[in-house]
Amino acid sequence: SQKIEQNSEALNIQEGKTATLTCNYTNYSPAYLQWYRQDPGRGPVFLLLIRENEKEKRKERLKVTFDTTLKQSLFHITASQPADSATYLCALARNYGGSQGNLIFGKGTKLSVKP
Amino acid sequence: NAGVTQTPKFRVLKTGQSMTLLCAQDMNHEYMYWYRQDPGMGLRLIHYSVGEGTTAKGEVPDGYNVSRLKKQNFLLGLESAAPSQTSVYFCASSTPWVSAFFGQGTRLTVV
Repeated sequence: SQKIEQNSEALNIQEGKTATLTCNYTNYSPAYLQWYRQDPGRGPVFLLLIRENEKEKRKERLKVTFDTTLKQSLFHITASQPADSATYLCALARNYGGSQGNLIFGKGTKLSVKP
Repeated sequence: NAGVTQTPKFRVLKTGQSMTLLCAQDMNHEYMYWYRQDPGMGLRLIHYSVGEGTTAKGEVPDGYNVSRLKKQNFLLGLESAAPSQTSVYFCASSTPWVSAFFGQGTRLTVV
């Protein structure tokens, strides 16, 4: 069966450091991968999307990599701040003959940035 | 723009009761999804729709039914609620191949 794993349930880092979150998948050939942020009591909010033919995407302090050989995506937050504390989710969608299939999420990694 | 709106925000049901959760989006998106989120389980896809009049099963469809009679609305029904359906339910919508937009969630408790 398809599996998406975010290898840490929780990650604690010091302010100013780079946070690196991992998303691995098996039995799946995604067309693209997305990262979302979720704050307590709120719905997820989209951050970045990377397609299967892209290696890296950047947006301000955020960077995402996508390695379809390793079946892995890394999500980096540089110069982290306490306001970055939240749960981060990865999501995958497949290509069904040119149509997007369903959108499946990992369980998330709770990031805590300490001042 | 309201984006994705879920109704209601909170609900308490007794075992065996039925209810319908409504999701409305004003972004003209083709795709709509229903997820449930439980502690330690993450977001799990219940059903989704790729267009008006179409629905498909997700990861955990049992005990739920859906309908997409209008493009902007996606309804999730519980015919006979069970305590195992206590959860936070999220609706989302998207255009294919781009990001999904989520509603604020519905917190459902079945007693």
